Parts: sequence; structure tokens; C-alpha cells
Amino acid sequence: AQSVTQLDSQVPVFEEAPVELRCNYSSSVSVYLFWYVQYPNQGLQLLLKYLSGSTLVESINGFEAEFNKSQTSFHLRKPSVHISDTAEYFCAVSAVRGSTLGRLYFGRGTQLTVWP
Amino acid sequence: DTEVTQTPKHLVMGMTNKKSLKCEQHMGHRAMYWYKQKAKKPPELMFVYSYEKLSINESVPSRFSPECPNSSLLNLHLHALQPEDSALYLCASSPRQGMVEQYFGPGTRLTVT
Repeated sequence: AQSVTQLDSQVPVFEEAPVELRCNYSSSVSVYLFWYVQYPNQGLQLLLKYLSGSTLVESINGFEAEFNKSQTSFHLRKPSVHISDTAEYFCAVSAVRGSTLGRLYFGRGTQLTVWP
Repeated sequence: DTEVTQTPKHLVMGMTNKKSLKCEQHMGHRAMYWYKQKAKKPPELMFVYSYEKLSINESVPSRFSPECPNSSLLNLHLHALQPEDSALYLCASSPRQGMVEQYFGPGTRLTVT
């Protein structure tokens, strides 16, 4: 099976500061990697995904994540955050093949709070 | 249409009530999922339907009964729930089971009194 570790449960930052949310995973097979964002009292929205190809993936709102196979990591970064980025961020993995096909394995989540 | 809709948004029910949650998507996806999410926790998978057939049941108690009447619709029937079942219930869909990303609905906030 797969597992995901999000090392930080809470990350407070000031507006316009850079931020990194860390995600490490464990899997014996190849995986797809995702970051989802959840605003208060809402469902999950896909922020960005790594399926194959370029290891650096970007979202439309300035976030980026880099797949590092040797370190089994998929950290999320943004060079300058806004107050509107305050939300819970979940890293998730899904096996490309095998008996766990179809299951998304989530990390415990990181609460990003942006202060003015 | 690229969204998953869920009704109702909020539901309060007693432990002896019977109610249903509804999920709908019109993206042509053939896999649909139910998740349960407690506060400050990640979503937990409950059921997966693939081509309208139950593919995965994560040992969910029988007081939760899923149903997939057609490729666009997913229901979750609730009966004799416990207060600890209070949570946000999320529906998701994907083109095929295990294929690419899952698209989530906004959820139904369930409170069992």
C-alpha cells in the first residue's frame, strides 16, 4: 500500500512571504501525486498533479510542486502568498497499477494560515 | 459541465431517521466515490463504484447503504446512524477507477442528534 506524510500540521506565514508545504510518500509501485486544497466548509479542489513527464508542475494561482523520486517527495511551494491562500492543503498519492488501484491515500493535511 | 454536485448541503437527522445523500456528475465519468471526513482530518474512503457496480467497500457499517442507479448518479442511504457518524460526506468521480485525478463535490455536512 501507499502512505503519505505531511510533516507540518500548521504553517503560519505573513502575506507576501514565500511558503513550502512538505510532503513525502512511501510506495513500492509507481504513483501519481496530487495536492488538493480545502477552504473552510467546502469540498476538496485539485490544486495540481504529477502524472508523468516534467517533474515540476504548476497551478494557475502561482503554486508549484516538484516530484523528487530519489527523496520520494512532492513539496508544494509558492513564492508570495495571499490571505486568500489560507486553507487546508492535502497531499495525496494513487498507485499507477496494482491491487490498490483507485484508492487515494491522503496525508493528514497542513493548515496554511496567512496573516496580514 | 465539469463539476460534481451534492445535495443536500446540510442535513440534521435523528438516530431513528432514514435519509439519503445524493451526488451527481455529468462529465461521463464511470467511477464514483464516497468519502467521510471528520473535522481536521483527511477524507476516508468508504465506497467505490466502477461502471455502476460496487468495486470497493472499506468495511463500512451496514447503516450506510450506497446505490448507483446510473452512470451519473450516486446515492448514500442512511439509517439508524450514531452521533459519531456526524461528518462531512464527500462524493468524487473520475473517468475510470484509478485513472487520473478525482473530482470532488462540495460535500454534505451531516449532523446526527
